[in-house]
Amino acid sequence: NFMLTQPHSVSESPGKTVTISCTRSSGSIASNYVQWYQQRPGSAPTTVIYEDNQRPSGVPDRFSGSIDSSSNSASLTISGLKTEDEADYYCQSYDSSNHWVFGGGTKLTVL
Amino acid sequence: QVQLVQSGAEVKKPGASVKVSCKASGYTFTSYYMHWVRQAPGQGLEWMGIINPSGGSTSYAQKFQGRVTMTRDTSTSTVYMELSSLRSEDTAVYYCARTLNYESAFDIWGQGTMVTVSS
Repeated sequence: NFMLTQPHSVSESPGKTVTISCTRSSGSIASNYVQWYQQRPGSAPTTVIYEDNQRPSGVPDRFSGSIDSSSNSASLTISGLKTEDEADYYCQSYDSSNHWVFGGGTKLTVL
Repeated sequence: QVQLVQSGAEVKKPGASVKVSCKASGYTFTSYYMHWVRQAPGQGLEWMGIINPSGGSTSYAQKFQGRVTMTRDTSTSTVYMELSSLRSEDTAVYYCARTLNYESAFDIWGQGTMVTVSS
């Protein structure tokens, strides 16, 4: 089994760009798709990126995802930050031993 | 519309069991896997297990092996998650969420069910 490690928190100003990383502890990040979820307080998570870099309909193109094999990590980038983007963000991937893994979550503050 | 509707909040004593339901509507129940994910207060998301509504097969996270049972009722398009030998650390919001296949995203989530374990 592997772990996904995220920074505990990030902060940035409105209009700026922020990137949240998600590092896989073992095995290649490219072996299994990475998803990203946004969770606002008191609500269930919603998908903002699936299959590494795909956006569900309705998610603004300010949200983008990528993977980097050299650092064995995935990244979620949010450009043109808005106050409404303030939330917790989780990465997630499938472990081929029939387990699903979430990162610890990153609290994004837009100040 | 596609939705997952969960049962209401529960308060249980340590050592008891809890059974949470998740009723699916708006799609073919047997075409998607169903998972249970929990979130303790102020903590992150934790995957608990998966059930295939088509055949009823299950796979559980090692942490919950022996304490969790996931079942389904195809006649009502409902899945159930029962957790036994409850302890205070099991206090959390429990979510059901579906995936199309093993690699796909959790695209629809239930609203969550708060389970409080307290003496």
